[in-house]
Amino acid sequence: DTGVSQNPRHKITKRGQNVTFRCDPISEHNRLYWYRQTLGQGPEFLTYFQNEAQLEKSRLLSDRFSAERPKGSFSTLEIQRTEQGDSAMYLCASSLDTATEAFFGQGTRLTVV
Amino acid sequence: AQSVSQHNHHVILSEAASLELGCNYSYGGTVNLFWYVQYPGQHLQLLLKYFSGDPLVKGIKGFEAEFIKSKFSFNLRKPSVQWSDTAEYFCAVGLSGTYKYIFGTGTRLKVLA
Repeated sequence: DTGVSQNPRHKITKRGQNVTFRCDPISEHNRLYWYRQTLGQGPEFLTYFQNEAQLEKSRLLSDRFSAERPKGSFSTLEIQRTEQGDSAMYLCASSLDTATEAFFGQGTRLTVV
Repeated sequence: AQSVSQHNHHVILSEAASLELGCNYSYGGTVNLFWYVQYPGQHLQLLLKYFSGDPLVKGIKGFEAEFIKSKFSFNLRKPSVQWSDTAEYFCAVGLSGTYKYIFGTGTRLKVLA
């Protein structure tokens, strides 16, 4: 499968714990995005990388959230001290450039109990 | 702030009925427009896109959409739906010169066999 891959698919964690998600974009895509989707809503933009540089962070991304893309390939999204409000589907997408569409992964569903 | 409105949250149709899903956006500049579909248990997939040129764009599975700049709209149409079109449909707007998409809240379509 040459699409965007996300791991894990599901994560259940206790409130206060840290979690980390991984995204492997399509190999030649230099742009990578993280979105969050809650029930009944469309995906909301969280952050964007061009190669290894994180170029924008949404105000939705509190200080407890950090994302990295150390070598311009895969990316990780870490949430520290999780809260119940963090429960959502976290989506990763990648694109070749702004003139092409983004391809989405299947997402990581986080449940904070 | 930029926003995308999908006015139909839930639509139920019988097979062979015609479909039109509304999408309006608020942004005065140049936009790229997308419709994504999410089948049950699957990731977001691109149905069609508009970057420039002919405002009537055709996508996969018999879907089409028309960009009407004066109305800030990008409505999705299909002349005859099938049971397999049951899914959630998201309109998304990419703002020119940026890299993030703004999504609508989605429309859940159920097609009755």
